[in-house]
Amino acid sequence: GQNIDQPTEMTATEGAIVQINCTYQTSGFNGLFWYQQHAGEAPTFLSYNVLDGLEEKGRFSSFLSRSKGYSYLLLKELQMKDSASYLCAQKRAGNMLTFGGGTRLMVKP
Amino acid sequence: DSGVTQTPKHLITATGQRVTLRCSPRSGDLSVYWYQQSLDQGLQFLIQYYNGEERAKGNILERFSAQQFPDLHSELNLSSLELGDSALYFCASSGINNEQFFGPGTRLTVL
Repeated sequence: GQNIDQPTEMTATEGAIVQINCTYQTSGFNGLFWYQQHAGEAPTFLSYNVLDGLEEKGRFSSFLSRSKGYSYLLLKELQMKDSASYLCAQKRAGNMLTFGGGTRLMVKP
Repeated sequence: DSGVTQTPKHLITATGQRVTLRCSPRSGDLSVYWYQQSLDQGLQFLIQYYNGEERAKGNILERFSAQQFPDLHSELNLSSLELGDSALYFCASSGINNEQFFGPGTRLTVL
């Protein structure tokens, strides 16, 4: 993706906590999305941050720092079904999304 | 189920051919977006329509075109197909809440 960086792969253990980081270009920033995508399937919405701070939604939380151009997705109590790609996407003018390359998370027993 | 539908689910065709992918947005959503996802490129924004008008253009090739009809469904036309056009093509729609809902995708294979 354009100037959106996230790790390519991560591995974590079932029941643990994992943090997936994302950095983006601050110019033209209009919001930050996280999507989950299982292989061959459509991305599904996880979170949307437009203001600084932490948004918690069940086992998933997302954090944003606009001044640092930084976000992270926190997944707690990992389950095997959380093995998927996690896509960070920056919203620009006109609701257009620019996606990062995605982080492939493997959850091991 | 996101409420966004796409047809066909799979499409196999030959180089040089032309195909049309179809998308119906969620009920009430006026915006439709098209994305291409290939193995080495990730999700790439192609084009956005809002209530029948082109709103934004991304990395869309000149061989590709799209339109949105009065009933708000959209079609993506891909012509003079090349091997490198093989990818998953997703359509998404959004309403007033910014969140984009993705359809199941069309897997295009060009042989």
